Amino acid sequence: GENVEQHPSTLSVQEGDSAVIKCTYSDSASNYFPWYKQELGKGPQLIIDIRSNVGEKKDQRIAVTLNKTAKHFSLHITETQPEDSAVYFCAASKGATDSWGKFQFGAGTQVVVTP
Amino acid sequence: NAGVTQTPKFQVLKTGQSMTLQCAQDMNHEYMSWYRQDPGMGLRLIHYSVGAGITDQGEVPNGYNVSRSTTEDFPLRLLSAAPSQTSVYFCASSYSPGALTEAFFGQGTRLTVV
Repeated sequence: GENVEQHPSTLSVQEGDSAVIKCTYSDSASNYFPWYKQELGKGPQLIIDIRSNVGEKKDQRIAVTLNKTAKHFSLHITETQPEDSAVYFCAASKGATDSWGKFQFGAGTQVVVTP
Repeated sequence: NAGVTQTPKFQVLKTGQSMTLQCAQDMNHEYMSWYRQDPGMGLRLIHYSVGAGITDQGEVPNGYNVSRSTTEDFPLRLLSAAPSQTSVYFCASSYSPGALTEAFFGQGTRLTVV
């Protein structure tokens, strides 16, 4: 089955700096890669996603890149702010009938933005 | 819309007790799932359902049962609680099986088994 590895497990950045989180996946049939942000005491919430027919996607200060050949994807947060402090999860999924809606999640990255 | 609602938010059980974690969604989503979250292990799939009357096992199903009698509700039952089931449990729903869309998560249930 699919295996998703996420690095680093913790990331401390100064406010205004950039943060990068990297994930690798094992199943070449995976074709959907969402990123979730989990704030303390809350459930994960989607912040950005990318499909396998796209190499990069941006939404204001966050961007995701996908390298299908190398089977890895990354989350980039620019101009970090204290409210970016949270746990971030990457995930991989495939739309095949035997995998409907099933996501394999990475272990998570605790991001701390210090003022 | 309330989204995905989980109850209770916190629960303490004694070893051997049984209980049901409730999950309800009001978005008419076909796909619903249960995950457990443990430190350093991310979210692991327990059971999932692609529609009313259809359920299947995920990655870590042992010790848990589910049923899906309606589109809205997807309860998770712990048959005989064990300390290894101490975790945070999340219910999630998605728009359509096969569609590559986001999962909406509930707020979670923090369960402690003593």
